Amino acid sequence: EAGVTQFPSHSVIEKGQTVTLRCDPISGHDNLYWYRRVMGKEIKFLLHFVKESKQDESGMPNNRFLAERTGGTYSTLKVQPAELEDSGVYFCASSQVLGLFGYTFGSGTRLTVV
Amino acid sequence: AQSVTQLGSHVSVSEGALVLLRCNYSSSVPPYLFWYVQYPNQGLQLLLKYTSAATLVKGINGFEAEFKKSETSFHLTKPSAHMSDAAEYFCAVSPGGSQGNLIFGKGTKLSVKP
Repeated sequence: EAGVTQFPSHSVIEKGQTVTLRCDPISGHDNLYWYRRVMGKEIKFLLHFVKESKQDESGMPNNRFLAERTGGTYSTLKVQPAELEDSGVYFCASSQVLGLFGYTFGSGTRLTVV
Repeated sequence: AQSVTQLGSHVSVSEGALVLLRCNYSSSVPPYLFWYVQYPNQGLQLLLKYTSAATLVKGINGFEAEFKKSETSFHLTKPSAHMSDAAEYFCAVSPGGSQGNLIFGKGTKLSVKP
């Protein structure tokens, strides 16, 4: 089966610009998660979709971040306007059953805000 | 609140030597525990998971981990390191229930010397 696909793999933008990251989960996986790793820190949970609904968005840092999952398929994470501290690697993961049997992660998007 | 502590941000071993990566967790409920590995320029790959079955869990690539409730530990071991094991390793805990997200440790980079 195809894995979790994320693009772009890298993005360099200027402070104040907008960036949209995309995640395509494994087909049939209702659960989709976004995580972020800021350099030198641990990977942190951002939010969790079940199909098209946000189950938990407690990890979203602020209202500059907007996540959507249209039709319960792919998801986008928009950062607008981007700030320097938003730089990091953004991971997406999907699972079939609340991740109890493991989550499949994408390769991540490395975002650099300059 | 649940948390994960990985002792040692960098571990270096010689090829053929024992690999021991330490992970301690804090959880108020029986945890689900995971080890993930990230090879350079790749996503997170599940090595193994503990979901309250056998306390000694075997994973891929010869790795295993033992869940010790009394020590709140879930250390990762491999009897003989191979050059290809050089990567970053992450221990993670899941709150379980309706919360599907993972809480990660800060990661341990493993170097393997010839």
